[in-house]
Amino acid sequence: EPEVTQTPSHQVTQMGQEVILRCVPISNHLYFYWYRQILGQKVEFLVSFYNNEISEKSEIFDDRFSVERPDGSNFTLKIRSTKLEDSAMYFCASRQGGGEKLFFGSGTQLSVL
Amino acid sequence: GENVEQHPSTLSVQEGDSAVIKCTYSDSASNYFPWYKQELGKGPQLIIDIRSNVGEKKDQRIAVTLNKTAKHFSLHITETQPEDSAVYFCAASSTSGGSYIPTFGRGTSLIVHP
Repeated sequence: EPEVTQTPSHQVTQMGQEVILRCVPISNHLYFYWYRQILGQKVEFLVSFYNNEISEKSEIFDDRFSVERPDGSNFTLKIRSTKLEDSAMYFCASRQGGGEKLFFGSGTQLSVL
Repeated sequence: GENVEQHPSTLSVQEGDSAVIKCTYSDSASNYFPWYKQELGKGPQLIIDIRSNVGEKKDQRIAVTLNKTAKHFSLHITETQPEDSAVYFCAASSTSGGSYIPTFGRGTSLIVHP
């Protein structure tokens, strides 16, 4: 079965630095998402992306966050000026047009020190 | 917005027993309720889903029930096996309006002891 691929699996950064989390969605999928989960808490929606633009975003997705689909295959989440509270597992997901099933990657564990 | 609560956070059962995970949702417009299973080191994977026009759905040892009036839905796993050990997430969403943003619960860590 096709998979969503996320890299790196773990990312450690110093507070204030910029990080880029990378995702390769399934090739024929049209909708892309980022979610995150802080340890012990809910899986939280960050942003959805369709047709090369953000379709929805949550309050968490402030102006330090950005997403990009630079080359038709990768889907990246950039976090500038990282804060301690950004530490979480970040999941990328994608889905086909016309379907509701989300396919998730295995996540990137981000630790901000 | 939608709010999904999930209980329990941890569930420990003996192999062969049944396991039940319960969720509630707040938005009456929600009409689609998927369940995801996350095994160690992997991303969540859809295992079963139910729509609001159906009260129950079964797939082998897994069943989901939905009570729209009470805004409750549950996952039932019968004859549990060690390989059922994982984190299970419920979610709720509306599939109308062109936007599909599932809201997830906190997750339940299911441990099946051999």
